[in-house]
Amino acid sequence: NAGVMQNPRHLVRRRGQEARLRCSPMKGHSHVYWYRQLPEEGLKFMVYLQKENIIDESGMPKERFSAEFPKEGPSILRIQQVVRGDSAAYFCASSPDSLQRGYTFGSGTRLTVV
Amino acid sequence: DQQVKQNSPSLSVQEGRISILNCDYTNSMFDYFLWYKKYPAEGPTFLISISSIKDKNEDGRFTVFLNKSAKHLSLHIVPSQPGDSAVYFCADLQQAGTALIFGKGTTLSVSS
Repeated sequence: NAGVMQNPRHLVRRRGQEARLRCSPMKGHSHVYWYRQLPEEGLKFMVYLQKENIIDESGMPKERFSAEFPKEGPSILRIQQVVRGDSAAYFCASSPDSLQRGYTFGSGTRLTVV
Repeated sequence: DQQVKQNSPSLSVQEGRISILNCDYTNSMFDYFLWYKKYPAEGPTFLISISSIKDKNEDGRFTVFLNKSAKHLSLHIVPSQPGDSAVYFCADLQQAGTALIFGKGTTLSVSS
């Protein structure tokens, strides 16, 4: 009974490259959330998705960032033309329904832009 | 403007004593509050929550108190154990929202 799976755990990208972060929710969970944690900061909400739908993307930067949660397969957070300021830990969480209380987080992907 | 504030970046406590972690919020009365615990290189783990219609919730060694007039909540851990050493995040789920708003966290160190 696996939890929320994120891969890769660590990702190094050069400035200008693309970063793709994957998240497989817990079995039976159809709601996915992405959060970002910058150094010395708390987690900041980015986007909330259900299968094939973006429900709330109010925390997503306007440019270079996109997210999807297709009918089949994991949720993907995509960052185009990465910059050093994108270096952070990116956490995915899932929940079984629209109640977000105590939803389950993955172990995160640590992105380093060099 | 920070909506959830954890003003103490760190706290050191001896094993067996009480740990008290504090959190202040600025939003409405009808929120729902959660505490998460995070170890290095792991994701946050849900610990305990409290609805704004209550003023206390208890689960084993963990108790959360909510003071609505002061817009303040606190997490009490008693007795503290070395395995409790972690970063603790307070989070606010607004009534109509879909996102958790996190504080910056407090690093708890419990020494034996």
